[in-house]
Amino acid sequence: LAKTTQPISMDSYEGQEVNITCSHNNIATNDYITWYQQFPSQGPRFIIQGYKTKVTNEVASLFIPADRKSSTLSLPRVSLSDTAVYYCRTGGSYIPTFGRGTSLIVHP
Amino acid sequence: EAGVAQSPRYKIIEKRQSVAFWCNPISGHATLYWYQQILGQGPKLLIQFQNNGVVDDSQLPKDRFSAERLKGVDSTLKIQPAKLEDSAVYLCASSQEKQGRIAFGNTEAFFGQGTRLTVV
Repeated sequence: LAKTTQPISMDSYEGQEVNITCSHNNIATNDYITWYQQFPSQGPRFIIQGYKTKVTNEVASLFIPADRKSSTLSLPRVSLSDTAVYYCRTGGSYIPTFGRGTSLIVHP
Repeated sequence: EAGVAQSPRYKIIEKRQSVAFWCNPISGHATLYWYQQILGQGPKLLIQFQNNGVVDDSQLPKDRFSAERLKGVDSTLKIQPAKLEDSAVYLCASSQEKQGRIAFGNTEAFFGQGTRLTVV
């Protein structure tokens, strides 16, 4: 199983940029990296996906170095509503694997 | 677009009883996943269907868990008999794997709200 490693928790303040890094040392050649957000009592929700270099959408950016062994989710100017658990997931040889996630708490 | 529907939202049963969860994926999504999420942990894949065939069930405790996906649409996950350690949220997700992608999981998965199971 492909394994991902993330920090367990992070704290930030409203208006700051938050960067969450995920390690996936044994990512397979065909695997993409996908990030999900999960609020309490809800299922995970897709944020962004990438294969290499940089991807940006309306809510986040994803940075992937050339070796693809890690990725960084960047959330610009976070607000209180961004308090959630963030998971990175790799395709993982037919078993899409979630790590333990990073619990982000945004303070006023 | 309607999302992934799951029922029930909550279920409390005694150990050794049986329970079933139902999932209706997004229309047209060929891939369906069942995940188990224990409090404080990430979702763990139990079984993955592609249409009505099983792609992977290597992490499904087959002595007590079973799942089916009749006609490649709805799916049910059953636990019989339940144990205390089965207390968790059971999440169903679906995705539309794009043609040409080799590895599953490379396409955005849409999750339902889950069923919270408490075994007492």
